[in-house]
Amino acid sequence: NAGVMQNPRHLVRRRGQEARLRCSPMKGHSHVYWYRQLPEEGLKFMVYLQKENIIDESGMPKERFSAEFPKEGPSILRIQQVVRGDSAAYFCASSLIRSYNEQFFGPGTRLTVL
Amino acid sequence: AQSVTQLDSQVPVFEEAPVELRCNYSSSVSVYLFWYVQYPNQGLQLLLKYLSGSTLVKGINGFEAEFNKSQTSFHLRKPSVHISDTAEYFCAVSAASETSGSRLTFGEGTQLTVNP
Repeated sequence: NAGVMQNPRHLVRRRGQEARLRCSPMKGHSHVYWYRQLPEEGLKFMVYLQKENIIDESGMPKERFSAEFPKEGPSILRIQQVVRGDSAAYFCASSLIRSYNEQFFGPGTRLTVL
Repeated sequence: AQSVTQLDSQVPVFEEAPVELRCNYSSSVSVYLFWYVQYPNQGLQLLLKYLSGSTLVKGINGFEAEFNKSQTSFHLRKPSVHISDTAEYFCAVSAASETSGSRLTFGEGTQLTVNP
């Protein structure tokens, strides 16, 4: 079984450009979480989605960031007008329906903003 | 809301020595507890989890952790480490719920370095 897939693995953007990060959850998983890891720090929760619904976006910056998980296709984390402070590793995790099911993490997308 | 404190940012040990990585948490609700390992430039892999029941939890790669409710701790231990255990270790908590998903709150991580 394929694990959680994220692409691209590395993404370089110039300030002001848009970044789109994609996450395909494990087969049968309907819950997706996005986390951000800044250099030398732990992971910080950003957003929790189920198919077509945002369940908890309390960790998302108020501006420039958005996320979706459509009925078909991967979950997308979108960052508009990127700034240097957005440089980080962005991890997606997926789980089955219950919270005590393990969250399986993807390999991450490393975003570098020049 | 929950918070997690990992008391040591770096732990150097020699191969075959025992190791303990410390984790304390705070929460106003019941929690589930997790330890994850991250190898360089990779995602996180679950080592073990505590949901309920026995407070001593055994995980993969010979690791174990003990949940101490009175001290709000969940320390990770291994009796004899290998070079291959060198990695970053993260303690995490989530609000306990049997019916809904819940985000993980992570500590800042502990870098374990095993020297020959």
